[in-house]
Amino acid sequence: NAGVTQTPKFQVLKTGQSMTLQCAQDMNHEYMSWYRQDPGMGLRLIHYSVGAGITDQGEVPNGYNVSRSTTEDFPLRLLSAAPSQTSVYFCASSYSKDGHTGETQYFGPGTRLLVL
Amino acid sequence: AQTVTQSQPEMSVQEAETVTLSCTYDTSENNYYLFWYKQPPSRQMILVIRQEAYKQQNATENRFSVNFQKAAKSFSLKISDSQLGDTAMYFCAFLPGGVEEYGNKLVFGAGTILRVKS
Repeated sequence: NAGVTQTPKFQVLKTGQSMTLQCAQDMNHEYMSWYRQDPGMGLRLIHYSVGAGITDQGEVPNGYNVSRSTTEDFPLRLLSAAPSQTSVYFCASSYSKDGHTGETQYFGPGTRLLVL
Repeated sequence: AQTVTQSQPEMSVQEAETVTLSCTYDTSENNYYLFWYKQPPSRQMILVIRQEAYKQQNATENRFSVNFQKAAKSFSLKISDSQLGDTAMYFCAFLPGGVEEYGNKLVFGAGTILRVKS
């Protein structure tokens, strides 16, 4: 098991450019999420998915799009990067317990994004 | 909305000693889960310990234990026999539970940097 993988590890973008952060998991988990980590603020939820074809917004969704066409993959898209999106991005996955939440989330290694 | 507060931005402890990290949270939920995650300089998020709110017994994992006070909405982490490898950022996190909840919507505190000194 590779667990949760993320690519790239580091990326530099110019303001206005677009890019996709990739996330994949091989544990057949239903739930996947994207978080961003900024100094002094912990991790904040951007978007999440409870299964293929189902996504919803988290605490800080503006400027980001997601889709979930397969159980394994959950890409995060930045359509027009802004300096405020400079951050470390984490993808996480987990499975449901008895049809609802509760189980441990497994995190990917993170993607560091710098927007100039 | 739930909030998680870690009031200690930084702490230090001597190797082999015991240290306690504080966490308080605010919620109107009755069913939820609490976690402590460790983030070493590698940035990898590593689960330290998990507590289910409906369980009275405090969770323990080897040198790590929690003091869960549901009425006070407090969830502190005790690290015994501290080791140099415990040096990391520690995050307290809250996950709403219950039949009506779905999705892994963790709410994190701001973190506590722990430095273990030799």
